[in-house]
Amino acid sequence: GAVVSQHPSWVICKSGTSVKIECRSLDFQATTMFWYRQFPKQSLMLMATSNEGSKATYEQGVEKDKFLINHASLTLSTLTVTSAHPEDSSFYICSATSQQNQPQHFGDGTRLSIL
Amino acid sequence: GQQLNQSPQSMFIQEGEDVSMNCTSSSIFNTWLWYKQDPGEGPVLLIALYKAGELTSNGRLTAQFGITRKDSFLNISASIPSDVGIYFCAGLSGNTPLVFGKGTRLSVIA
Repeated sequence: GAVVSQHPSWVICKSGTSVKIECRSLDFQATTMFWYRQFPKQSLMLMATSNEGSKATYEQGVEKDKFLINHASLTLSTLTVTSAHPEDSSFYICSATSQQNQPQHFGDGTRLSIL
Repeated sequence: GQQLNQSPQSMFIQEGEDVSMNCTSSSIFNTWLWYKQDPGEGPVLLIALYKAGELTSNGRLTAQFGITRKDSFLNISASIPSDVGIYFCAGLSGNTPLVFGKGTRLSVIA
């Protein structure tokens, strides 16, 4: 089945650090990738939609300068949390799909803890 | 915006019991999806439904796409401890992003 790999799975760093999270589709070409944020005991909150080779579309309230997204190839998208602060601590999950009307397949998430 | 109402929010059941959860929407979806999320991991796709009225099984799981295209249910038969987790319904329509329900937290008592 479709496999999406997300790395790293856990990050702990100091406030002010920038953190990059990678999302790779291992056995299919992901024309579209999505980045979500999930708070404890809550559903997934979509942050942005990323199409290969074009700028990401951010959801309302998500700062594009804070959360930089790059989708340079059909198998890789990256999310960079710039100058992270404790309030950015969360569980970040990516997903990928080969076509927009097909199910998304999710990575295993990255738990980000900012001290 | 589109919203999915998922119920129940949580369930505590005995091992071996059957489970049923459902999602309703005020909007029509072309595709209904059911995911399961274990703690600290990403959601895993369980069942995808593409046609109104479609009934699909995956082992002990059965899901149906409602005739009106505004609802779906998921049944789990003969629950086992590893069924524990959070189950999310999700709706897909055209090129709009996936819309998630708020999840059903399932606990199975051995």
